Amino acid sequence: GAVVSQHPSRVICKSGTSVKIECRSLDFQATTMFWYRQFPKQSLMLMATSNEGSKATYEQGVEKDKFLINHASLTLSTLTVTSAHPEDSSFYICSAWDRGLRRTVQRTNTEAFFGQGTRLTVV
Amino acid sequence: AQSVAQPEDQVNVAEGNPLTVKCTYSVSGNPYLFWYVQYPNRGLQFLLKYITGDNLVKGSYGFEAEFNKSQTSFHLKKPSALVSDSALYFCAVRSWRLGNQGGKLIFGQGTELSVKP
Repeated sequence: GAVVSQHPSRVICKSGTSVKIECRSLDFQATTMFWYRQFPKQSLMLMATSNEGSKATYEQGVEKDKFLINHASLTLSTLTVTSAHPEDSSFYICSAWDRGLRRTVQRTNTEAFFGQGTRLTVV
Repeated sequence: AQSVAQPEDQVNVAEGNPLTVKCTYSVSGNPYLFWYVQYPNRGLQFLLKYITGDNLVKGSYGFEAEFNKSQTSFHLKKPSALVSDSALYFCAVRSWRLGNQGGKLIFGQGTELSVKP
């Protein structure tokens, strides 16, 4: 199956610094990737939709200047948490859809694959 | 608006017994439904999906789910639970946009499954 790789898996940073998280689709192209945030034992909250070659689309209440998204290629999207604060500590997960164009399946027969997640701790 | 509800925060099952994790949905149009599993500090792993066709969908690790349109449900089931099935389970519905490359996934609250020996 398709693989989405997320890096780093864990990061600790000082308050006020910026942290970059990478999300790569390893064996397929993803014109769109999604960034989620998850608090302990809670559901995933969609933060933004990353679009290759254009601006990301942010969900209501998510600060775009705080969470910078860059989708510079068809296989890489990055999320940068700028001027991080302890309240930004969370588990961040990216996902991308494999449209299955490499296989003889219906275009609607797709599924989303998720990265391993990044545990961010701001101290 | 599309939404997904998982009414149980936690489900406890003895190993070897059947398990059910409940999910109900609300969508306009035909639903695209998914189940994912999450182990601690890990991303989500795809279990199964319903797009169209048979109402009973079989997925990974012996799991299956039944799509019930009249009850707007998509419950996850397994005939015989394993201790290793203990994890957090998410039901999701796919949100479509015009010209979309994939669509957002809207997740339920999650259900923690605990299987005891």
